[in-house]
Amino acid sequence: DIVMTQSPSSLAVSAGETVTINCKSSQSLFWSGSQMNYLAWYQQKPGQSPKLLIYYASTRQSGVPDRFIGSGSGTDFTLTISGVQAEDLAVYYCQHHYDSLPYTFGAGTKLELK
Amino acid sequence: QVQLKESGPGLVQPSQTLSLTCTVSGFSLTSNSVSWVRQPPGKGLEWMGAIWSGGSTDYNSALKSRLSISRDTSKSQVFLKMNSLQTEDTAIYFCTRSGVYYGLSDWYFDFWGPGTMVTVSS
Repeated sequence: DIVMTQSPSSLAVSAGETVTINCKSSQSLFWSGSQMNYLAWYQQKPGQSPKLLIYYASTRQSGVPDRFIGSGSGTDFTLTISGVQAEDLAVYYCQHHYDSLPYTFGAGTKLELK
Repeated sequence: QVQLKESGPGLVQPSQTLSLTCTVSGFSLTSNSVSWVRQPPGKGLEWMGAIWSGGSTDYNSALKSRLSISRDTSKSQVFLKMNSLQTEDTAIYFCTRSGVYYGLSDWYFDFWGPGTMVTVSS
């Protein structure tokens, strides 16, 4: 199985700050055939189902604010939130969608108010 | 618009079989694949298995011996059956739709149901 390791596990921020969440995979998620990285990011607020933010490492899902930026390649990926807003407080998960079962998720990063 | 909704019993006894239904609207099961993902209380997400748009299935090897996923395209429903339930199977169960990129199904999940809580307890 591909192991997805997220850091930090929690993060306390003030509104307006820029935050970075890291995700590392145990094997490369880059496929040369498509020249894409198969990594997605989700946001989950309390009592809600996860919401897709980013896929192919950096493609923003329709309707997601442009303050959410995905980057990285190979085994190391980052979700950056520029100018955190109160509505962004949630748990964030990375997930590989490379052609290797099972499709595993990171353990999550909880974004809290400082 | 795209919607998914899970339904099933909230309480299952240990060693019994769990049966869940995911009813979808706004898309066709023959065009998009559907997965089941679960989340134990206060914990992370686990992909359980999926049924492809073509009807074939894939399972998490950790659950494969206990899990079966099927569908009824005429009713726009996907079914999950898992046997030999234990307390550690207590979780919120979500059904999700796989994304499609330039006409090809891919395994990021662009729409999720609200989830259904299943408690395994006697």
